[in-house]
Amino acid sequence: QVQLVQSGAEVKEPGASVKVSCQASGYTFANYGISWMRQAPGQGLEWMGWIGPNSVDTQYAQNLQGRVTLTKDTSTTTAYMELRSLRSDDRAIYYCARDRSGSLRAFDIWGQGTMVTVAS
Amino acid sequence: QSALTQPPSASGSPGQSVTISCTGASSDVGDFNSVSWYQHHPGKAPKLLIHEVTKRPSGVPDRFSASRSANTASLTVSGLQAEDEADYYCSSFAGRGHSYVFGTGTKVTVL
Repeated sequence: QVQLVQSGAEVKEPGASVKVSCQASGYTFANYGISWMRQAPGQGLEWMGWIGPNSVDTQYAQNLQGRVTLTKDTSTTTAYMELRSLRSDDRAIYYCARDRSGSLRAFDIWGQGTMVTVAS
Repeated sequence: QSALTQPPSASGSPGQSVTISCTGASSDVGDFNSVSWYQHHPGKAPKLLIHEVTKRPSGVPDRFSASRSANTASLTVSGLQAEDEADYYCSSFAGRGHSYVFGTGTKVTVL
């Protein structure tokens, strides 16, 4: 079935980087973009950015510009989100989702989430 | 980009209806046919309930319906069931290339 499976929980120190993976299966990975969202404890969902089907086009939320990089490896059907210079307020569950902006204008398949803890 | 505004909570008894609002601006909710709604049970992946303002993906019960008036979108859950107790989020395309904004979230409680 169509699914996105994310990598496991991470614990990082402030100032470090984290890279979360999101492996797709059950559909043609090269035909769809991936968006990333996060949810801090007690907060709502926040859209972080998007990488297009061609693995080249990207767009990032203004508040994360310069700290986040999205990549997509079609050969392994895996998308990645790297966040640098981690701060305590980056502690959150990070989600990838299949981006259907071209048709549904929505995110129709979501990963299970990856907990990232930032603590010294 | 500011988050879309949703009421923090809503509740209803089994069988009743609850409506959740989602208020944005003319540059997002009011401008594109791209409002979507998600159901999120904590600890699980969010689930798409509504796309393109009013459309239900296959498999989503018709108890879930949605509408929009100007800059405010709404989600109605009819015939509330215990499993409807969850957090609900709206989202909208926000232009400027390819950016999205989510609502603040509404916790629905089935009494």
